[in-house]
Amino acid sequence: DSGVTQTPKHLITATGQRVTLRCSPRSGDLSVYWYQQSLDQGLQFLIQYYNGEERAKGNILERFSAQQFPDLHSELNLSSLELGDSALYFCASSSQRRTRDTQYFGPGTRLTVL
Amino acid sequence: AQKITQTQPGMFVQEKEAVTLDCTYDTSDQSYGLFWYKQPSSGEMIFLIYQGSYDEQNATEGRYSLNFQKARKSANLVISASQLGDSAMYFCAMRVMKAAGNKLTFGGGTRVLVKP
Repeated sequence: DSGVTQTPKHLITATGQRVTLRCSPRSGDLSVYWYQQSLDQGLQFLIQYYNGEERAKGNILERFSAQQFPDLHSELNLSSLELGDSALYFCASSSQRRTRDTQYFGPGTRLTVL
Repeated sequence: AQKITQTQPGMFVQEKEAVTLDCTYDTSDQSYGLFWYKQPSSGEMIFLIYQGSYDEQNATEGRYSLNFQKARKSANLVISASQLGDSAMYFCAMRVMKAAGNKLTFGGGTRVLVKP
């Protein structure tokens, strides 16, 4: 158990819908990262938050947005869903120390868009 | 831009034998970190081992060791005394230290199947 929690574990929805994925980081970690794992694209970085502020952005679609709340939990919002958004979405957290800064991953949310 | 290449899509290994998973990386930065993660069929990503670009010794963590060859830009994972529970996907990843943010760039992964 990495200490990172994600809910829900599975999500099945229809095209055009909107969903929210939730992540709670490990105790003491200020950074939260979102990754998408799909068969065709592999593991891709989406976005990073550090202590409530957006720190870095990757290949995140405009239909997707995220935020980190004062209690450090984070939410990833996916809207106008398409079939191609079906994937495993991971949240990871780290303490953001200077040298070794290991990211610990949550169990993931498997999103299926029908 | 950073790139990670894992050339072995899949491999079999006999139980109790050692296996080496290849990973090569490409970056122009001098300060970076290399990570290996394991993803069993249940889906979670489990951190295994870390190697910093300035670390003089190869990293070891239990049955996992990293064969780091900086000049060749390779960071191969060695799993000794394979166990059935080692059957999984293994991902090599890199983080460049000076980049804004701390994103990981992943390779395509290697699937390992341990045979009894």
